Amino acid sequence: QVQLVQSGADVKNPGASVKVSCQTSGYIFTSYFMHWVRHAPGQGLEWMGVINPNPSGGRAHYAQTFQGRVTLTRDTSTNTVYMILNGLRSEDTAVYYCAREDSTMGAFDVWGQGTKVTVSS
Amino acid sequence: SYEVTQPPSVSVWPGLTATITCSGDNLHDKNVCWYKQKSGQSPVLVMYQHTKRPSGIPERISGSTFGNTATLTISGTQAMDEADYYCQAWDSTTVIFGGGTKVTVL
Repeated sequence: QVQLVQSGADVKNPGASVKVSCQTSGYIFTSYFMHWVRHAPGQGLEWMGVINPNPSGGRAHYAQTFQGRVTLTRDTSTNTVYMILNGLRSEDTAVYYCAREDSTMGAFDVWGQGTKVTVSS
Repeated sequence: SYEVTQPPSVSVWPGLTATITCSGDNLHDKNVCWYKQKSGQSPVLVMYQHTKRPSGIPERISGSTFGNTATLTISGTQAMDEADYYCQAWDSTTVIFGGGTKVTVL
């Protein structure tokens, strides 16, 4: 079955960077765009960006809020997508999700289990 | 930038109907989806393209959009329906989430 398995929880100091992985299985990796969404405590869902896992699919597209601070990459040899967030601050403490886009539905049909990132000194 | 607005909370007695709204300019022209998120769990898609249910979502959950307002309706509400519900729209290639509505089953 389709699965998105994310890396484990992480604790970072302010100003540091975090890299979260999302390993996929059960479907053709290059056929579905992958998005990243975060959920901060007491807040709603917040979209961060999207990447086309196909290497010929062009650059990733980021939400304006995160422009210059977030980078999405893919590794087709391991069917894994990565999210790197730089310049961490306390407000970045959140659960980060990868979510697969089904282009026929125009919706996120499969989500990872989430990765808790805590930013604290 | 484009925004969609949801009420923060909705309360409903078991067996009755819960109605969750999502408002945004020309929402009927955009693809609207809905997600259900229980505490400590990942979101789950419950409605897409305004009115379509993914497999496994019960028929008592329905969606509609008229003008600037999309609505998710839960009929015969059960305790299992208690969760946060988020609408989501596409603004060109950008994804917009509403602030979420907490549904409480009394």
